[in-house]
Amino acid sequence: KQEVTQIPAALSVPEGENLVLNCSFTDSAIYNLQWFRQDPGKGLTSLLLIQSSQREQTSGRLNASLDKSSGRSTLYIAASQPGDSATYLCAVDPAGANNLFFGTGTRLTVIP
Amino acid sequence: ETGVTQSPTHLIKTRGQQVTLRCSSQSGHNTVSWYQQALGQGPQFIFQYYREEENGRGNFPPRFSGLQFPNYSSELNVNALELDDSALYLCASSTRTGATNEKLFFGSGTQLSVL
Repeated sequence: KQEVTQIPAALSVPEGENLVLNCSFTDSAIYNLQWFRQDPGKGLTSLLLIQSSQREQTSGRLNASLDKSSGRSTLYIAASQPGDSATYLCAVDPAGANNLFFGTGTRLTVIP
Repeated sequence: ETGVTQSPTHLIKTRGQQVTLRCSSQSGHNTVSWYQQALGQGPQFIFQYYREEENGRGNFPPRFSGLQFPNYSSELNVNALELDDSALYLCASSTRTGATNEKLFFGSGTQLSVL
């Protein structure tokens, strides 16, 4: 069974700092990997989706990388802002059917 | 903001009762997935519906059941509620093309409390 782990569980940084969130998964046979953002008590917003054949995806200040063979992905956030404060979730899709396996998330706080 | 809407936003039930949660898909989407998110945890896949039939199920007992309607909206039904069913229930819609699905769009969820 696929297991997804995210480290750290919580992170607090001053505004302007660059930061990296980590995600690892046990089964490298994945179709794609996604990073989501979740604000308290709210639904999920997809940030970046990396297909299994890709190594990275970029959107604005966000960059996600994927190393399928080692079962790892990182989400890099440049020049963090207070509005980036949220929980970031990593999820893997084994077969493209959207039956996602999620990690428990990293709760990010950016201090003004 | 996605076009996926869920109702109600909050719900309080007592143990043993039954509950129905509702979801309207984003326009043009033909697949609906349901997830359960306990406090402090990541979402867990419950099941998915495509063309009004269940198309994949996670590790949830039969008292969790669902429906998808011809307009692609969906319901999640939970019978014999237990305290551990207290969670945020998330609905997500997508478009199925061939054997795979396009990107998922999530609703804001229904917060269910079982007392």
